[in-house]
Amino acid sequence: AQKVTQAQTEISVVEKEDVTLDCVYETRDTTYYLFWYKQPPSGELVFLIRRNSFDEQNEISGRYSWNFQKSTSSFNFTITASQVVDSAVYFCALCGGTSYGKLTFGQGTILTVHP
Amino acid sequence: GAGVSQSPSNKVTEKGKDVELRCDPISGHTALYWYRQRLGQGLEFLIYFQGNSAPDKSGLPSDRFSAERTGESVSTLTIQRTQQEDSAVYLCASSLATEAGNTIYFGEGSWLTVV
Repeated sequence: AQKVTQAQTEISVVEKEDVTLDCVYETRDTTYYLFWYKQPPSGELVFLIRRNSFDEQNEISGRYSWNFQKSTSSFNFTITASQVVDSAVYFCALCGGTSYGKLTFGQGTILTVHP
Repeated sequence: GAGVSQSPSNKVTEKGKDVELRCDPISGHTALYWYRQRLGQGLEFLIYFQGNSAPDKSGLPSDRFSAERTGESVSTLTIQRTQQEDSAVYLCASSLATEAGNTIYFGEGSWLTVV
């Protein structure tokens, strides 16, 4: 069985602070994929990143960065210099290599950025 | 349209009635997925379709739930004899295929309330 745990239910920061959202996963698949999605108040899930299990390189995209550590089964997401528009629910998700698209989601982290 | 389109956006129905939720995937996307999101929860996989292959129905919670897809276009999720626990947002997603590496795009969801 697969499992994704986002231990932080809610995080509140002040604009310009850095914030890290934690994600820990469990899977028996040797090949798997990890995702982060953003869900703003409108409800639509916005794709942020996909990482496969063979690629442990960290990635940076503007103010966003991701730290994938297979040894600790973690795929953490950092927002640098947070902005009010970053306020949303963030979901980490996992799928096995043989069932791509059949995602197992974490419970989500509600991020609130105050001006 | 450019994105995944779902209708209705909101539906209030009486307990025991049947409901149909519709999804128009992104044009050309052969893979289509349905997920359910209960209030304050992560997303739960329900079913996915890939081309002409038999759909993966492993996530459907009961035999009251069914889904159909016409070719590689529109899909309909049907819930029969609705119960209050069926109240949730039903999200549809699509991708070019279920091969790894394809981005999965979500619609804005259909909010179902069973009273």
